[in-house]
Amino acid sequence: DAEITQSPRHKITETGRQVTLACHQTWNHNNMFWYRQDLGHGLRLIHYSYGVHDTNKGEVSDGYSVSRSNTEDLPLTLESAASSQTSVYFCASSRAAGGTQYFGPGTRLTVL
Amino acid sequence: GENVEQHPSTLSVQEGDSAVIKCTYSDSASNYFPWYKQELGKGPQLIIDIRSNVGEKKDQRIAVTLNKTAKHFSLHITETQPEDSAVYFCAASLEGSARQLTFGSGTQLTVLP
Repeated sequence: DAEITQSPRHKITETGRQVTLACHQTWNHNNMFWYRQDLGHGLRLIHYSYGVHDTNKGEVSDGYSVSRSNTEDLPLTLESAASSQTSVYFCASSRAAGGTQYFGPGTRLTVL
Repeated sequence: GENVEQHPSTLSVQEGDSAVIKCTYSDSASNYFPWYKQELGKGPQLIIDIRSNVGEKKDQRIAVTLNKTAKHFSLHITETQPEDSAVYFCAASLEGSARQLTFGSGTQLTVLP
């Protein structure tokens, strides 16, 4: 069955380190998204991509970057992790622009 | 851009009662309205959606209604069960456009046994 996976599921890192969170989908969806979820803030969009080599900033993109070299993967990189980036991160994908998004299981990141 | 407001933020009901969660949106062009359920420790999962060409959609114990004139849509859960306890998110978008989903802030539903 087609699916969307995230790795690692849990990560503890130190302030200042570079961290990359992986997202892989097997639906062949063109559209992929990264969100962070914090108590009291719901889902906030970090970055999104509408296809290979396309990336766009969301509402909370500072300190994060993405690259899209193929259809299946959209890794999220924290260039220099900060304690404010402690959160749960969700990746999602959709077939249609503006359409139903399917979410991965999430990565819990702790920055000490 | 689109703005989606969701109420209430928390809702407790007795098992067997009904639960209603309401969302309003700002952009009259929006035409796609999904609802997601997020259980503890998991990603949001689509439970039902509605498009602007219909006013109501039902799937067993859950239903969604849409009022385009008032720009609001609601999730109705009947005969609630403990496994319905979760966070529910509404969202809105213009399907087929470059505008992605805008999510509401979520409702924590607790079904009391």
